This record gives sequence, structure tokens and C-alpha cells, in this order.
Amino acid sequence: AQSVTQLDSQVPVFEEAPVELRCNYSSSVSVYLFWYVQYPNQGLQLLLKYLSGSTLVKGINGFEAEFNKSQTSFHLRKPSVHISDTAEYFCAVSDQEGAQKLVFGQGTRLTINP
Amino acid sequence: GAGVSQTPSNKVTEKGKYVELRCDPISGHTALYWYRQSLGQGPEFLIYFQGTGAADDSGLPNDRFFAVRPEGSVSTLKIQRTERGDSAVYLCASSLIALGSPSGYTFGSGTRLTVV
Repeated sequence: AQSVTQLDSQVPVFEEAPVELRCNYSSSVSVYLFWYVQYPNQGLQLLLKYLSGSTLVKGINGFEAEFNKSQTSFHLRKPSVHISDTAEYFCAVSDQEGAQKLVFGQGTRLTINP
Repeated sequence: GAGVSQTPSNKVTEKGKYVELRCDPISGHTALYWYRQSLGQGPEFLIYFQGTGAADDSGLPNDRFFAVRPEGSVSTLKIQRTERGDSAVYLCASSLIALGSPSGYTFGSGTRLTVV
């Protein structure tokens, strides 16, 4: 079974500042890793995913994440945030076989202040 | 359709009543998933269909919950004898093959169920 821990429930930052949202996972098998964003009253939108290959993954809206197998982490970063990045961010993991269902973290609420 | 469609978008029901939540996946997507998102939490897996059959229903919390996908397209999540603890946003997602395919999942906007 997999589990995901998002270390920060809320992250406030100023506009144009860099941000890192932390995610650690545990699993006994090889996994796929994902970051989703949820804007207020909207569904989940995929930001980026790691399936294999390069450990640095680039996604939409200027976000990127780095898979670190030894530290079982998949932290999300953006060098300069905008007001429009205010949302809830979810890290998720899935095993590579079987149903490939997603196991989500609790979420991190990113608030951008002007 | 262009995306995953879920109806209704909001449902308020009385404790003890029966409800049905509908999911229309993207045309041609063979895999369909249901998740439940309680307030302040991440989504939790309920059930996965590959075609018409439920390949994994390990996330259904109890026997009041049931889901079907009779023709391998539209799916209905059914909840009997609703309880206040069932209040949540129910999310549906579909995928062309499986999660690891390049297209991945597409989520619907969800049905917000409130049991009063």
C-alpha cells in the first residue's frame, strides 16, 4: 500500500516570490507520481506527472517537480508565483501495476499575497 | 464529450434517502474511477471499472455504496440509506487505458452531496 504526506497544510507567499510545496511518499513497489491543482469550486487538474526517465518534470503554468527516489520525495516548485496560483495542491502516488488507483495527500493550500 | 461530465453538480438529500450520482466519461475511455473528497481532505479512492466490470471496489466504505457501468461507458454511483457522514464531493475520472499512459486521468468537476 502507498501513502502520501504533504508536509504543509497551508503555504502563504508573496506574489513573484518562489515557492516549494513538499511531498513525501511511501511505497514498497515502483510508483508513478502526480501533482494536481484544484481551484475554488472546480475539479482536479493535472499539473505534472512522473512516470519514468528524467527526474525533473516540467508541468503547466511554470511548475516543475523533482523525483528523489532515495528521499522518497516529489516536491513541487515554481520560481515566481502569481495571484492566479492561489489554489489547493494535491500530491498523489500510484503503483505501476493493477488498478493504478491514486492515493492522495491531504493537500496544501497555497495563498498568494500581493 | 470533451470532458468528464458529472450530474447533478449539487445534491441535497435527507438522511435515510437513496441517491444516484452519474458520470459520463470521455468517449472511448475504458477505465473509470470514482473518488470521494471530504471537506479539507484529499480525494479517496472508491472503485475502478475496466470496461463494464468493477476491477477493484476495495475503497467502497460499506454495502450501502454500489456502482455500475452496464455498457462500459456511463457509470452510476448509488448510495442507500444515506448518512450525514456521506456528505462529500464525489469525483469521477476516466482514462484511455490506465494511469500510466501518457494521457493519464481526466477528472470531472464532481457532485457535491449534502445529507441533512
